[in-house]
Amino acid sequence: DQQVKQNSPSLSVQEGRISILNCDYTNSMFDYFLWYKKYPAEGPTFLISISSIKDKNEDGRFTVFLNKSAKHLSLHIVPSQPGDSAVYFCAASGNYGGSQGNLIFGKGTKLSVKP
Amino acid sequence: EADIYQTPRYLVIGTGKKITLECSQTMGHDKMYWYQQDPGMELHLIHYSYGVNSTEKGDLSSESTVSRIRTEHFPLTLESARPSHTSQYLCASRGPGSNQPQHFGDGTRLSIL
Repeated sequence: DQQVKQNSPSLSVQEGRISILNCDYTNSMFDYFLWYKKYPAEGPTFLISISSIKDKNEDGRFTVFLNKSAKHLSLHIVPSQPGDSAVYFCAASGNYGGSQGNLIFGKGTKLSVKP
Repeated sequence: EADIYQTPRYLVIGTGKKITLECSQTMGHDKMYWYQQDPGMELHLIHYSYGVNSTEKGDLSSESTVSRIRTEHFPLTLESARPSHTSQYLCASRGPGSNQPQHFGDGTRLSIL
């Protein structure tokens, strides 16, 4: 059973507009959440993270929001640029029995930013 | 940013061959990981290591094996490759402390004929 879910396989956005990528999780013991960006034929690149003691973290054009009660996080990209076109993975971890703090990944959302 | 290198980037090889995928990092990270990823799917953890002489199996069962003789080196071996091993293999490392991101290499795309 998937513990980290990205229900939208793809998203298309116009250049300059906001991109919102969503992620849901089921394990209430997760306390650290990350977003990675992946281009074809490359490894995932770390973008931004948030710990469960916060509800927002911002880094330039990227902002991650965490809603613990809804077990939901989102990544906002403003403004979106064509170079942002990639697959975005949500990941989560927690320090609970047997987890070893290892990351659990979602299936990814393919973002296309059109000029 | 971690410097982590994987070789080869691409490998096409016949069934039954022994394969070693190389992964090296220059940051002195103790924690290293191997993931397997198929198109449109999540990354699945197949092996991890918390330091020299430490190796553990991940969430996804794999016929591969790993070794950690040196901190910087974490190779993955398939003794006898099969078509079902065709996938992308990603290596990652992480710095000390909690709430640290993993940093990935560019991966090896493996095709077994």
